[in-house]
Amino acid sequence: QSALTQPASVSGSPGQSIAISCTGTSSDVGGYDFISWYQQHPGKAPRLMIYEVTNRPSGVSDRFSGSKSGNTASLTISRLQAEDEADYYCCSYTSSRSYVFGTGTKVTVL
Amino acid sequence: QVQLQESGPGLVEPSGTLSLTCGVSGASISISNWWSWVRQPPGKGLEWIGEISHTGTTNYNPSLNSRVTISADKSKNQFSLILNSLTAADTAIYYCARAWAESLDDWGQGSLVTVSS
Repeated sequence: QSALTQPASVSGSPGQSIAISCTGTSSDVGGYDFISWYQQHPGKAPRLMIYEVTNRPSGVSDRFSGSKSGNTASLTISRLQAEDEADYYCCSYTSSRSYVFGTGTKVTVL
Repeated sequence: QVQLQESGPGLVEPSGTLSLTCGVSGASISISNWWSWVRQPPGKGLEWIGEISHTGTTNYNPSLNSRVTISADKSKNQFSLILNSLTAADTAIYYCARAWAESLDDWGQGSLVTVSS
């Protein structure tokens, strides 16, 4: 299975909004509403930010939101803060009864 | 609060077998949830390896399916990963995690495994 496609990098200034795309196929992103997003700071384990496309776990800021249209999912970070600088990965359930991660996006706060 | 901790050798020889264990506290692996393994080569992205359910059902990444086995020891509340026929490409940080709502909500700190002679 091929990794989902994400932009390598996205940047924004504090207070701005940015969006990270995650493109797959009808066998993964387009076929299921089991899309999750993870934030990973250097040297740390990933942290769940969004599950089932749009849901935030307890403790995750409401500045993070998720959506999906067709074979592409998106993570939007509003009111960008310095602490949001990290790598972000999407993940989707697949028709092979497995999961596939995205290629990862480095978010830089200017 | 669920806590997971990976343990195992940090160095394995090429063509050998990797064996890692994930100890779980704060939840019972025999009652609910799926329990997963994910790896990350140094400086690269995440790769899902596979999972085991509380009933013992397993699912694996199709690209690793022939080399991987995930099992559970309910008496010790831990689950394990075995990956054989290792090459340098298997060098990675290996994470164990709890799956919930088709996502991974609790993660171990990770264990670096280097494949080298």
